[in-house]
Amino acid sequence: GIQVEQSPPDLILQEGANSTLRCNFSDSVNNLQWFHQNPWGQLINLFYIPSGTKQNGRLSATTVATERYSLLYISSSQTTDSGVYFCAVDRNFNKFYFGSGTKLNVKP
Amino acid sequence: DADVTQTPRNRITKTGKRIMLECSQTKGHDRMYWYRQDPGLGLRLIYYSFDVKDINKGEISDGYSVSRQAQAKFSLSLESAIPNQTALYFCATWTGVGGYTFGSGTRLTVV
Repeated sequence: GIQVEQSPPDLILQEGANSTLRCNFSDSVNNLQWFHQNPWGQLINLFYIPSGTKQNGRLSATTVATERYSLLYISSSQTTDSGVYFCAVDRNFNKFYFGSGTKLNVKP
Repeated sequence: DADVTQTPRNRITKTGKRIMLECSQTKGHDRMYWYRQDPGLGLRLIYYSFDVKDINKGEISDGYSVSRQAQAKFSLSLESAIPNQTALYFCATWTGVGGYTFGSGTRLTVV
């Protein structure tokens, strides 16, 4: 299977700070998504980004498929950004490989 | 209404009991999936279905079975629940242009 490594595993930020989360994967993929799992366990789809760059408000993501990594940028962090961020990849649209996540804690 | 709805949201059951988790979707997507999440870990695939007649095992299918009753419904069953099946279970659909969409999850505790 495809190995997905996320870094850092844990991140503590002061409200208003910026951060970059990284996702490395071991093989070529057709699909890459970033999710935010909130404290209630819900998985929120942030970006569907198999390649290129996308932005949504304070969040943006870049995937460089040829180099097998993706970055998630969070600017001006808020306490509501706390939770776990997962990167997941898929090659054949039949199995999603998840990383272990980055646990983000934004302090007021 | 949510695109993917899971019921129940929470369930406590006893060891040895049969339990069914249900998933329904409103967008007419062909591909549906069941995942399991253990604390501190990412999700792992249990079963997936590309249409009503196409059911496939994922990486951790032992102890589970599924039924695709209709295009919109995909149920996961634990024939005889055991404590190490305590986990958060997610149903998902493949939307195509938007990637995967997940339900809100079912938190299952086996005592």
